[in-house]
Amino acid sequence: GDSVTQMEGPVTLSEEAFLTINCTYTATGYPSLFWYVQYPGEGLQLLLKATKADDKGSNKGFEATYRKETTSFHLEKGSVQVSDSAVYFCALSDNNAGKSTFGDGTTLTVKP
Amino acid sequence: NAGVTQTPKFQVLKTGQSMTLQCAQDMNHEYMSWYRQDPGMGLRLIHYSVGAGITDQGEVPNGYNVSRSTTEDFPLRLLSAAPSQTSVYFCASGSEGGRGYTFGSGTRLTVV
Repeated sequence: GDSVTQMEGPVTLSEEAFLTINCTYTATGYPSLFWYVQYPGEGLQLLLKATKADDKGSNKGFEATYRKETTSFHLEKGSVQVSDSAVYFCALSDNNAGKSTFGDGTTLTVKP
Repeated sequence: NAGVTQTPKFQVLKTGQSMTLQCAQDMNHEYMSWYRQDPGMGLRLIHYSVGAGITDQGEVPNGYNVSRSTTEDFPLRLLSAAPSQTSVYFCASGSEGGRGYTFGSGTRLTVV
């Protein structure tokens, strides 16, 4: 079945540091890929997405590129802020299956 | 738009009690899902639906029932609550085409 593997956390960075959170996936067919963010006490929010190979999703300074050859969708940000502290989830969705598969989440803490 | 509305936000049950977690969306989404979130285990799919009258089991369906009589509503029923069902429950809705899911703010359930 489909699966998503994220780098284990937690990740602690200083403000303005470069962020990478690794995500790899296993799926049949050609899924869409997503990153969601969860702030404390809240539900998940869609951060960015990519629907086909070589697509780059971007939002709020975050980026991720759909790499079919390496089955990866790594999340990057050039300069993190304290407000980026949250849990980040990588996910995939078979476009017609009506459900998504999530990674275990990576907790990011950014210190001033 | 209200998006995805979950009620209640908090609930304490005694072992053996039953209850229904409510979920409603106003975006005319075909797909709806229930997940549970436990520390260190990410999100696990309980049940999902691809349209009114159609439901299917996810990864961890035991002890839960669902029905989807309308596009808007997707209630989750706990038949006989057990301490292992203590968790945070999230409802999500989405549509085909790789657009991602919209999540509710969650229900924090404690079974004593």
